[in-house]
Amino acid sequence: QKEVEQNSGPLSVPEGAIASLNCTYSDRGSQSFFWYRQYSGKSPELIMFIYSNGDKEDGRFTAQLNKASQYVSLLIRDSQPSDSATYLCAVTYGGATNKLIFGTGTLLAVQP
Amino acid sequence: DAGITQSPRHKVTETGTPVTLRCHQTENHRYMYWYRQDPGHGLRLIHYSYGVKDTDKGEVSDGYSVSRSKTEDFLLTLESATSSQTSVYFCAIRGDYSTDTQYFGPGTRLTVL
Repeated sequence: QKEVEQNSGPLSVPEGAIASLNCTYSDRGSQSFFWYRQYSGKSPELIMFIYSNGDKEDGRFTAQLNKASQYVSLLIRDSQPSDSATYLCAVTYGGATNKLIFGTGTLLAVQP
Repeated sequence: DAGITQSPRHKVTETGTPVTLRCHQTENHRYMYWYRQDPGHGLRLIHYSYGVKDTDKGEVSDGYSVSRSKTEDFLLTLESATSSQTSVYFCAIRGDYSTDTQYFGPGTRLTVL
């Protein structure tokens, strides 16, 4: 059973702090990894993707990938109340790149 | 929203009735997907298409059928709707092949009474 696991939260952080969101996956053949943000009642919105071990930075967001540990994370620096949303982790699976499996998401609440 | 529209955006229907949801894209993407999203289950793939008349099942395909007669349209049909199919349905397209990224439409909220 291919799985993507996320802590459902809520993860509560104060404004200006670093929010750390974590995801583990079971399929060692997974090649591509994605983070989506979803506001309540809206569709998922792509934030970042990462393919190689290590860190990838884009503005206030940093994705981290460790394939040996089957672990991917998202750091949000200088968290803002507007970052409050559910964050979905997704990975390709089965050695293919045309299908994604999603975690159930982590709810982030940034307190002003 | 990567040029993706879904219709209808909201629908209430009764058990046993047929329902068709439409996904329309304007950018000639080859791959299109249908997902459902339910509390506690996240997004789950129902069916996907990799070209006109080329479709395949996802992890929760029972009770659903799809058709793609034109590149721009991907239809999801519930032949006989059940209350367990009450959900939010999202269509997605696979964008840039170099990144395997998927982009989502606005969603359709379906309620089966």
